[in-house]
Amino acid sequence: DAGVTQSPTHLIKTRGQQVTLRCSPISGHKSVSWYQQVLGQGPQFIFQYYEKEERGRGNFPDRFSARQFPNYSSELNVNALLLGDSALYLCASQPGGAGETQYFGPGTRLLVL
Amino acid sequence: QKEVEQDPGPLSVPEGAIVSLNCTYSNSAFQYFMWYRQYSRKGPELLMYTYSSGNKEDGRFTAQVDKSSKYISLFIRDSQPSDSATYLCAMRNNQGGKLIFGQGTELSVKP
Repeated sequence: DAGVTQSPTHLIKTRGQQVTLRCSPISGHKSVSWYQQVLGQGPQFIFQYYEKEERGRGNFPDRFSARQFPNYSSELNVNALLLGDSALYLCASQPGGAGETQYFGPGTRLLVL
Repeated sequence: QKEVEQDPGPLSVPEGAIVSLNCTYSNSAFQYFMWYRQYSRKGPELLMYTYSSGNKEDGRFTAQVDKSSKYISLFIRDSQPSDSATYLCAMRNNQGGKLIFGQGTELSVKP
């Protein structure tokens, strides 16, 4: 079975631009979470979605938004990019909304110039 | 103060050594504890998943949770060069899916 997939793998943007990152969860998993990992740090929680509903939001500005589609895939959008948004963006899937562990994708590496 | 503290290392050991990795935490609501391994420029890979206090063993890996001390550990026996990676501890409470991660410990196992 395929694991969590993310696209694109790498992305270079300039300050002020907007970016959309995509994630497909493991087949049968209904929950997707997004994390930001800055170099040398652990991942930081951004959002969790379960059955297309937002279940949790981390301490990130409103420039960050996400959504989940009927097939459980998800998009993370970041507007008005700042240099500090340069990071590895990780998607994690789990079977349900709570109580199970999360499995991570390979991430999308975003560089903002 | 961070909710989860983890020594970033780097930690360098010879092949075959026993490795001990640790995290402390402050939130007594945490019930689920995980260890992930992350190779350079890759996503985290789940190694161990434990609920509440106690020990769990899987091959060369042993995870320990001491909730009374708010302290978790991962032991790696007979370490191999292929174990060289960053090890992340993560934990969460009973509600929802938000994981709180430590900073990660960079481990290097020398042949």
